[in-house]
Amino acid sequence: SQQGEEDPQALSIQEGENATMNCSYKTSINNLQWYRQNSGRGLVHLILIRSNEREKHSGRLRVTLDTSKKSSSLLITASRAADTASYFCATVLIYNFNKFYFGSGTKLNVKP
Amino acid sequence: DAGVIQSPRHEVTEMGQEVTLRCKPISGHNSLFWYRQTMMRGLELLIYFNNNVPIDDSGMPEDRFSAKMPNASFSTLKIQPSEPRDSAVYFCASSFPSGGAASTDTQYFGPGTRLTVL
Repeated sequence: SQQGEEDPQALSIQEGENATMNCSYKTSINNLQWYRQNSGRGLVHLILIRSNEREKHSGRLRVTLDTSKKSSSLLITASRAADTASYFCATVLIYNFNKFYFGSGTKLNVKP
Repeated sequence: DAGVIQSPRHEVTEMGQEVTLRCKPISGHNSLFWYRQTMMRGLELLIYFNNNVPIDDSGMPEDRFSAKMPNASFSTLKIQPSEPRDSAVYFCASSFPSGGAASTDTQYFGPGTRLTVL
């Protein structure tokens, strides 16, 4: 399966700490995206990184991509209680831009 | 923009009954996706449409599931007959290509329909 796998499955940290979650995948990609899902809600797009990019920033988010290791990481700096959610990576293959493969997610709990 | 709209938000039905889930994509988006989310299997793509045409339905679990997109602003996912194992949250998402053969786009998700089949 091409499906990305997030690690860890669950993460609990204190407010103000950094949170790092990882995503591994199996085949070549066009891009990789990270989404957030708050409890009882739909997924919300956070950031997209293309296969020719190594690092990308958006506010408190930093994403890295290592295509040689087929892995990506999402770093949330100075976490807040409002960051509590599940985070999913989605891989988009070279030959099918419409078919997103979502991982099983990392459940992040930020304690106030 | 109202975002992707799904109805109903919650549906409780009995085994054997027909269930119809509805989705209105974001205006101007030409791709529409139906996903199912469960604890056991995570987020699964069931089917997606481009310009109202079904492109890939390989994720549809079985013949009890069917999806239609009669026009650019409306899609339905029907389960007939429903079974308890169909209980899940069903999401609809839409996207619009950002342009160019090599480009892709993000997907915008609706709030989901929580289906419970008793």
